[in-house]
Formats: sequence, structure tokens, C-alpha cells
Amino acid sequence: KAGVTQTPRYLIKTRGQQVTLSCSPISGHRSVSWYQQTPGQGLQFLFEYFSETQRNKGNFPGRFSGRQFSNSRSEMNVSTLELGDSALYLCASSLQGRSGMLGDTQYFGPGTRLTVL
Amino acid sequence: AQKVTQAQTEISVVEKEDVTLDCVYETRDTTYYLFWYKQPPSGELVFLIRRNSFDEQNEISGRYSWNFQKSTSSFNFTITASQVVDSAVYFCALRKRDNYGQNFVFGPGTRLSVLP
Repeated sequence: KAGVTQTPRYLIKTRGQQVTLSCSPISGHRSVSWYQQTPGQGLQFLFEYFSETQRNKGNFPGRFSGRQFSNSRSEMNVSTLELGDSALYLCASSLQGRSGMLGDTQYFGPGTRLTVL
Repeated sequence: AQKVTQAQTEISVVEKEDVTLDCVYETRDTTYYLFWYKQPPSGELVFLIRRNSFDEQNEISGRYSWNFQKSTSSFNFTITASQVVDSAVYFCALRKRDNYGQNFVFGPGTRLSVLP
């Protein structure tokens, strides 16, 4: 079974631009979560989608948004990029993701490394 | 608030040595899950183990073992006879339910370097 895939793997943008990152979950997985990883802040949760609905959101500004499609694929968008948005963006999928499934294991993709100049 | 602490920022060992990575967590909940992930240089987090708060049995998987102690809120990870391929950043994570659903809280990670 193919793992979580993320595209593109690397991206270079300039301040003020916007960017869209894509994530394809493991086949059959319905929940997709996004994380930002930076050397200073570590791994921080951005948001989680289940059945095309955002179910959970981390403490990030409104410039960060996402969506999920009916095939569970997800995109995240960052508008008006800032230098501090340079990071590794990781996507994770899990099988069910219902609120009762605390033990639902998340499987991560390789990430998209975004550099903002 | 929930929090995960990994006090060891970096550890270096020589191949074949045993090494223990510490993880201490904070939560007021009685129901939660703990995870360990490995992040090799390629960047992808690799799932290693999951443990729920009601199961304090230690687990061994090959050269890996985990010691979960609720009394000290610790979930430590030991690699026996370390190998160069074990070099990576290891993250401990806590998952619990909060007002918005459920979420992972990751520790800052421990960078393990295994030298030949």
C-alpha cells in the first residue's frame, strides 16, 4: 500500500506570495492533518480534516488554510508569505479519525520544504 | 495544559551501545495515548509505537523497548545494541481529547547520533 505522498517536495517563494501544498493520504484513510516543523518551534499542529470538514485547528493565523476533497486528498494554502513561514510542512493521514478514536495512529508523508526569501 | 518534555536534546553513542531516550508528559486526562516517532534525515516521521494510558505493560520489539510508567508520567524508549541506521531525531507525542477534538502534542525531539 502506498504511503502518504506530498507535492511538491521543495518550494521556494518570495515574501508576499501565496503557496498551495498537496497531500494524498494512504488509500482508505479519511483523516488528514497538517503540521509545521521548524528548528525553533518544533512540530506544531496546523489543522485536521475529516470527511471534507475541518475538525480541529491549531494556533496559526488565518493566512494558513486548508481543505479536503471527497477523495480525502488535502491541500493547504498559505497566503501573504512571511520569512517565518519557511519550514517543513508535514501531512499525516489516519484511518478513521473519528473523535472517539484517540488511538488512531497518524502516518506521515515526507513533507514539503518551503523556503521563503 | 498538556506538554511533552524530552530533556535530552542530543545524544551520541558508539555503535553497539545501549541508549535510552527519555520522555515525560503532562496531562490531567485519564485517557490518552502516547507515541514514539523516528525522523531520519529524509524528513518523514516513521511510526514506532503507540501505547494507551491504561496499558502499562512494557513492550519489546527487536532491539527496541519501551518503558511506560504512569506514576512518573514517563514513556522512555531504549535501543539495545545501537546501529548507525538508528541515527535520527526521535519524537515522543501525546494525544488526548480537548475542546476542539483531539490533537497530537509533540516533544521537542532527541537527536541520536550513532557513531561507527
